[in-house]
Amino acid sequence: GENVEQHPSTLSVQEGDSAVIKCTYSDSASNYFPWYKQELGKRPQLIIDIRSNVGEKKDQRIAVTLNKTAKHFSLHITETQPEDSAVYFCAASMGGGGFKTIFGAGTRLFVKA
Amino acid sequence: DTGVSQDPRHKITKRGQNVTFRCDPISEHNRLYWYRQTLGQGPEFLTYFQNEAQLEKSRLLSDRFSAERPKGSFSTLEIQRTEQGDSAMYLCASGREYEQYFGPGTRLTVT
Repeated sequence: GENVEQHPSTLSVQEGDSAVIKCTYSDSASNYFPWYKQELGKRPQLIIDIRSNVGEKKDQRIAVTLNKTAKHFSLHITETQPEDSAVYFCAASMGGGGFKTIFGAGTRLFVKA
Repeated sequence: DTGVSQDPRHKITKRGQNVTFRCDPISEHNRLYWYRQTLGQGPEFLTYFQNEAQLEKSRLLSDRFSAERPKGSFSTLEIQRTEQGDSAMYLCASGREYEQYFGPGTRLTVT
């Protein structure tokens, strides 16, 4: 069945360093790949996304890369700040922009000041 | 507040009781999703609506779960004969095309 694997499960970095989170997906029909940030006790918030016709997308300190051949995509956060500390989830979605979205298990990011 | 809203925010119920949750999406969004999230896990897809049509339902969803979106606006998720394993955060999300925006969730505790 559909599956999204996410690594690492926990990541600790020093403030100012970069953080990289990687995900792989199983269903080659997936065509939309969002990333969410979830702080403790709060709702998941969409931080960046990428569609299958694009290889890379950047928004300030955040970037996402997609390799459709290898079926993996990654989140890159540069110049990390303590407020970046949260759980980050990747997801893969099928069906032309919606429904049946499968989430990874999450990466808990700690940014040490 | 023009974001996705959910009601109630917390629900404690005894095993065997029925519960119903409500989700009000962002008004111009025609897509609506329900997810379940347990501690330390990502949201788990339950079902999806486009307008009032329920287009997909997870195989993981037992017959005790049912969802409706009668007029293509708000949606309800009902769980019948609740079990302790149903304890989780139930999240609703809405969107127009690709993006999904989540509500604050309803935390269900089954005792």
